[in-house]
Amino acid sequence: DAGVIQSPRHEVTEMGQEVTLRCKPISGHDYLFWYRQTMMRGLELLIYFNNNVPIDDSGMPEDRFSAKMPNASFSTLKIQPSEPRDSAVYFCASSFLFRAREDTIYFGEGSWLTVV
Amino acid sequence: GQNIDQPTEMTATEGAIVQINCTYQTSGFNGLFWYQQHAGEAPTFLSYNVLDGLEEKGRFSSFLSRSKGYSYLLLKELQMKDSASYLCAVRPPMDSSYKLIFGSGTRLLVRP
Repeated sequence: DAGVIQSPRHEVTEMGQEVTLRCKPISGHDYLFWYRQTMMRGLELLIYFNNNVPIDDSGMPEDRFSAKMPNASFSTLKIQPSEPRDSAVYFCASSFLFRAREDTIYFGEGSWLTVV
Repeated sequence: GQNIDQPTEMTATEGAIVQINCTYQTSGFNGLFWYQQHAGEAPTFLSYNVLDGLEEKGRFSSFLSRSKGYSYLLLKELQMKDSASYLCAVRPPMDSSYKLIFGSGTRLLVRP
């Protein structure tokens, strides 16, 4: 089975530009998570979806960030306008149920974003 | 809220044993996970504990004490490829949220 697929793998953009990160979760998984990782703050949860519905977006830093999941196989994370402090690795992850005893989440390879 | 503490860095020798500790203070608890993350790669699942005691998986073992808010990951017969970051993560109670809260991670360097 294919794992969680993210694109782009690397992006360098100028401050003020719009950035769109994409994610395809593992087929059949009904939870999708967006995490951000930096040296200073570690791995932070931004938002997660259950059955395409946003459940908890309390980690989204500010209004410049938005996330959508139009169907079970696709999600986007947008930053508009981007700022240098948004430079980080953005991970998408997915999980099945995540209520059973050992259900864990599976991460994509990450999107490495640099805003200059 | 949740607070998860791990040492920032550790160094060990190839062939040795190393223990990576994790302490947590959370408002409720429904399981603790350990993930491994090599530089430039995604975190990958290592182990899961929800009851007190030791869970063993080959060279890796994970221990949990819920009353003490404490877990450790034990790596035996260290290999060079074990050089990575090890992330401790706590899952809140199922009636509140379905997310993992991660610690900052412990960078392990294995030397020859």
